[in-house]
Amino acid sequence: AQSVTQPDIHITVSEGASLELRCNYSYGATPYLFWYVQSPGQGLQLLLKYFSGDTLVQGIKGFEAEFKRSQSSFNLRKPSVHWSDAAEYFCAVGARGGADGLTFGKGTHLIIQP
Amino acid sequence: DAGVIQSPRHEVTEMGQEVTLRCKPISGHDYLFWYRQTMMRGLELLIYFNNNVPIDDSGMPEDRFSAKMPNASFSTLKIQPSEPRDSAVYFCASSLERARQETQYFGPGTRLLVL
Repeated sequence: AQSVTQPDIHITVSEGASLELRCNYSYGATPYLFWYVQSPGQGLQLLLKYFSGDTLVQGIKGFEAEFKRSQSSFNLRKPSVHWSDAAEYFCAVGARGGADGLTFGKGTHLIIQP
Repeated sequence: DAGVIQSPRHEVTEMGQEVTLRCKPISGHDYLFWYRQTMMRGLELLIYFNNNVPIDDSGMPEDRFSAKMPNASFSTLKIQPSEPRDSAVYFCASSLERARQETQYFGPGTRLLVL
């Protein structure tokens, strides 16, 4: 069975500082990997996705993520955070991208300090 | 495109009542998913459809839950009778399978409170 672990429940970062959110997955084959963001009271918005090819993927809002097969990781990064980045971030894995249910991590709550 | 539309956005009901949540997927999408989000269990898949046919309902918690997709533009998730532990945010998502690389797009969710 597939699973996703986001080891950090909360992360606090100063505005303008760099950010890295960790994600580790368990899956038997090449996974489809996603990062979603959820603002308070809102639905989930896709930040970026990895299916194959270049292991460094770029997303919206200046985010990027790197797929490392040897470490079963798909960490999310941003060089300089803005106050508007405060939200809940979810890593997810799927067997077939949009054609199968996704398994989500428990999420990381990002707090931005002024 | 209007995106995935869910109604109602908020629902407060009493234990034992029937609750019906509604979802309109993005036009042309052939997959529809229902997820539930709780503090304890996070986001979990309940059921999904392909071309209006249920494919995997193994995540449906019990017989009190049922889902239907009578046509390509509408799906319902029904809870009868509802219980306080059903309180959660219920999300609908849709996707278009093309070379099996498409993304799931989520609706804004329905926040259900069962008293």
